[in-house]
Amino acid sequence: GAVVSQHPSRVICKSGTSVKIECRSLDFQATTMFWYRQFPKQSLMLMATSNEGSKATYEQGVEKDKFLINHASLTLSTLTVTSAHPEDSSFYICSARDRGGLSLHFGNGTRLTVT
Amino acid sequence: SQQGEEDPQALSIQEGENATMNCSYKTSINNLQWYRQNSGRGLVHLILIRSNEREKHSGRLRVTLDTSKKSSSLLITASRAADTASYFCATDAFGGTSYGKLTFGQGTILTVHP
Repeated sequence: GAVVSQHPSRVICKSGTSVKIECRSLDFQATTMFWYRQFPKQSLMLMATSNEGSKATYEQGVEKDKFLINHASLTLSTLTVTSAHPEDSSFYICSARDRGGLSLHFGNGTRLTVT
Repeated sequence: SQQGEEDPQALSIQEGENATMNCSYKTSINNLQWYRQNSGRGLVHLILIRSNEREKHSGRLRVTLDTSKKSSSLLITASRAADTASYFCATDAFGGTSYGKLTFGQGTILTVHP
C-alpha cells in the first residue's frame, strides 16, 4: 500500500529557532500533500495544501510566513516552522493523496515542542 | 466552519461488544471516510462510502450513510482490545475550492477493555 514517511517524529527546539519537517511519499507520486495540526485529544485542523511546483494554499488564519511550505518534487513536501514559539508546540501531520485515489495516506506525525 | 460532528466523544466497552460511532456533517459531499488514529500516530484509512451509497462493509466494519440527514455511522462488531483508538469521520466536499480536501470531525475515543 501507499506509504507516507514523515520526519522527524519528535523535535524539541528553543524559542526563536526554525524547524523543518519532511513528508515523503515513498511509493507513489503526490502532486498534492496536506499539512494538518492537531492539539491533544482534538481533531485535525488543515493548515495548508501543498501543490507540487506551485505555491501552497493556506487555510484562513494560518500565517504563511510562519509556516513555510515547499513542495519541490512529486514525492517531497516540507513544512518549516519559522521563529518558533511555545504556542507552536503541537502535533503536525502530513498526508498525501495517491493519483486517482480518494483516500489520504498519512505520515506518522511530528511532535514539536518549543521551549 | 467545522464539518463533521461526532458522537459520542468517548466510548468505553468490553471486548466482544459492538461499538457504534456517529458523524453528522453540514454540506454536500462526494464521499465520507472513516479513519483510525492510535495515540501519537498518524491516521489510517478504514473505509470510504460514496454519496450514492447507503451502506458498506469491510471485515468487522459497517458504515452507513444517510445523505438526507447528513449523517453517517461506523459500527465495529465483536470489538477487540486492539481496536482501542480514536476514530474520525472525514468529508470530501463537493466541488469548488474545497475539492480534494478532507474535513475531519472531532473524533470518538474508543476504549475496549479486555
